[in-house]
Formats: sequence, C-alpha cells, structure tokens
Amino acid sequence: AQKITQTQPGMFVQEKEAVTLDCTYDTSDQSYGLFWYKQPSSGEMIFLIYQGSYDEQNATEGRYSLNFQKARKSANLVISASQLGDSAMYFCAMSTNNAGNMLTFGGGTRLMVKP
Amino acid sequence: DADVTQTPRNRITKTGKRIMLECSQTKGHDRMYWYRQDPGLGLRLIYYSFDVKDINKGEISDGYSVSRQAQAKFSLSLESAIPNQTALYFCATQGVAGAKRTEAFFGQGTRLTVV
Repeated sequence: AQKITQTQPGMFVQEKEAVTLDCTYDTSDQSYGLFWYKQPSSGEMIFLIYQGSYDEQNATEGRYSLNFQKARKSANLVISASQLGDSAMYFCAMSTNNAGNMLTFGGGTRLMVKP
Repeated sequence: DADVTQTPRNRITKTGKRIMLECSQTKGHDRMYWYRQDPGLGLRLIYYSFDVKDINKGEISDGYSVSRQAQAKFSLSLESAIPNQTALYFCATQGVAGAKRTEAFFGQGTRLTVV
C-alpha cells in the first residue's frame, strides 16, 4: 500500500522568506511520481510541480522546487521568496505503477504568509 | 473554458433528496475520478473510472453512485443525501497510464451542503 504523510498541519512564514513544506511517502514500487498541489481559499486545486522517481535532478518550477531525497523517501516542497498569494493549503500526492498510477494524497499543510 | 468543468458549483439540498453532480472534460483523458474533501482535510477517493466500461469504488463509496456516460462525462449521485455528506467535491482527470507525468487535472469543485 502507498501512503503520503504531511506532518505540518499549519505553518507561518514571513513574506519574502523561503519555506519548506515536508512530505514523506511510503511505497514498495520502484516507479512512482510525486506531486504538489496548491489549494487557495477559493477551493480549486492547482498543480505545482512533479518529480519522477527516476529523475536524477530535483524538479523546479519558478519559485517552487522539490527537494527529493529518495533514500529517505521524502519530497519536500521549497517555496522561495514567499508572497502573500502563497497563503493556501498545500497537498503532496503520489502515484505508483503498482496502483495503476492513481493519486494518493497527504492530509495537507496550511501555509500562512505574514506581511 | 476550463479543461474540467463541474456543475453545479454550489448546491444546498435537503436530507433525503437525490442529487447529481456532473463533470465534463475536454482533456481527452480516459481516467476520471470523484474525490471528497472535508474541511481541513485531504482528498478522499469516492469512485474512479479508467474508461467508459470500467468503474470502481474508492475508499468511501457508501451512499454514492456514479455513471460514466461518455469518455468526457462522469457523474456522481447521492441517492438520499444526508448531512454528513456536506463537503467539497472534486472531479479529476488523468492521462493514460505509462505516461511520464501522470498528474491529475481538477475541476473547480462543488460545494454541497445537506441540511
């Protein structure tokens, strides 16, 4: 079975600072993908970044980067230069070949950016 | 137009009523999902469909049914709504298994309140 754990229910960060949101995963599959989604207060789910298990480099998308540590089974999201608009819920998710590439979500982390 | 469209966006209904939530997509994806999100929590899978003839129960299917009318349409029904089905409901689509990236694309969500 696959499992995603986000241990930080809520976090504060000062505007313009960087912040790391933690995500650990558990799977016995060798081929899997890791995803981060953002959910602002308006409710929609916005895809942010993807990391494949065989990707040698950490994924980056603008101010978002994924700190992928395969041996530790962690896939932390790093947001650089936080902005007020980054205040939202953030969900880590995983898909594995053995589970038919269906997404399993963590419980989420609420990030609050302080001005 | 959005790639994944849910209707209605908001709905208030009475206990015992039947209600249908509709989802249509223009992504051309075979896979479609229905998720439920309760306040402050992650997403839980209700039903999923890998193609028009393949429909499967997720972790919380009791009290719900689905219909895949076409590749592009996937409807969720609450046969007899109850208050603890008050939640935010998401439809999502996903590309074909085996693709390098298998992120899900979400609709805008439907806020359902059962009174």
